[in-house]
Amino acid sequence: NAGVTQTPKFQVLKTGQSMTLQCAQDMNHNSMYWYRQDPGMGLRLIYYSASEGTTDKGEVPNGYNVSRLNKREFSLRLESAAPSQTSVYFCASRDGFPGDYGYTFGSGTRLTVV
Amino acid sequence: AQSVSQHNHHVILSEAASLELGCNYSYGGTVNLFWYVQYPGQHLQLLLKYFSGDPLVKGIKGFEAEFIKSKFSFNLRKPSVQWSDTAEYFCAVGDGTGFQKLVFGTGTRLLVSP
Repeated sequence: NAGVTQTPKFQVLKTGQSMTLQCAQDMNHNSMYWYRQDPGMGLRLIYYSASEGTTDKGEVPNGYNVSRLNKREFSLRLESAAPSQTSVYFCASRDGFPGDYGYTFGSGTRLTVV
Repeated sequence: AQSVSQHNHHVILSEAASLELGCNYSYGGTVNLFWYVQYPGQHLQLLLKYFSGDPLVKGIKGFEAEFIKSKFSFNLRKPSVQWSDTAEYFCAVGDGTGFQKLVFGTGTRLLVSP
């Protein structure tokens, strides 16, 4: 099925460990985004990539890095995980054609840092 | 900076009741407005979107929203809710640029009792 695929779905990390969250889309979309979702706070933008080869910080980038590996893939890396990074992470993409500004979201990665 | 306010954090309704969820945004320029729904354990899905034209927008599953520019509002409505509408609803505003970074509200959790 076409869409946005995120791996892993669940992860538990110890404080200080590192990991990479993977995201891939097969819709030939130009723009990709990483959000985190926390109770009572909605979704907050971590990083985004307007097109292949570019990345920019969002609202809450501290503690994260990203890589736009190619047009399909956009990964999020936690170099040294902290309990404050316990969250649900969503990747999204959009094609950016005029008249279509909807995001397609992945199913999320639930991350717990202990 | 843009911001989005959703005033109702939790709403409980009986089946067949009418629904209206409030959304106000703060942004002086051209905006694109969205409502997303997140069913339990699932990712966000687009309900409807507005970026120009008729301020009354119809979406999927019988939902509609009205853009009132003078009030900076984009309230979501449904005449008669069903148990299957139990979900969390997020209002979001995009800045109308090519990057279209979305800013989300904190969400409204809707529980529909049978």
